[in-house]
Amino acid sequence: KAGVTQTPRYLIKTRGQQVTLSCSPISGHRSVSWYQQTPGQGLQFLFEYFSETQRNKGNFPGRFSGRQFSNSRSEMNVSTLELGDSALYLCASSLGAARGQPYEQYFGPGTRLTVT
Amino acid sequence: AQKVTQAQTEISVVEKEDVTLDCVYETRDTTYYLFWYKQPPSGELVFLIRRNSFDEQNEISGRYSWNFQKSTSSFNFTITASQVVDSAVYFCALSEAPMGGGYQKVTFGTGTKLQVIP
Repeated sequence: KAGVTQTPRYLIKTRGQQVTLSCSPISGHRSVSWYQQTPGQGLQFLFEYFSETQRNKGNFPGRFSGRQFSNSRSEMNVSTLELGDSALYLCASSLGAARGQPYEQYFGPGTRLTVT
Repeated sequence: AQKVTQAQTEISVVEKEDVTLDCVYETRDTTYYLFWYKQPPSGELVFLIRRNSFDEQNEISGRYSWNFQKSTSSFNFTITASQVVDSAVYFCALSEAPMGGGYQKVTFGTGTKLQVIP
């Protein structure tokens, strides 16, 4: 079974630009979560999608948005990039949370975004 | 609110030594799940284990073992006879899942960087 794939793996953007990151979950997984990882803040939850619906959102400004397609693939968009957005963006897929039981998440290799 | 504390920022051990990574959590939920993940230098987080709040049995998997104690809200991870390949950042995570179904919210600790010296 193929793992979680993320594209691109590396990205360099300029302040003010926007960027779109892509994530393909493991086949059969309907939940996709996005995380931002920085040395100072650690792993921070951005949002989670399940069956094309955003079910949960972390404490990030509206410049961070996402969506999920019918095939469970997900995209994350960051508009008006700031220097502080430089980070490793990780995507995680899981079967999703059944009644009272969360499943383990499987992570992709991440997209390393550098904003200059 | 959920919180996961990994007080050990970095640990260095010599190969073949045993090492324990600490994890302390806070949650108001009675049903919750705890996880450990490993992040090697390549960057990809690797799932290691999941435990639910009703199962306090310790678990052993090869050189890895986990000690879950609800009384102290701790879920510690021990590597026996450490090897250089164990060098990585290890994350403890806590997840709640509302009984009404819906979302899965995961809170990660700040990670413990383990360096195993040959």
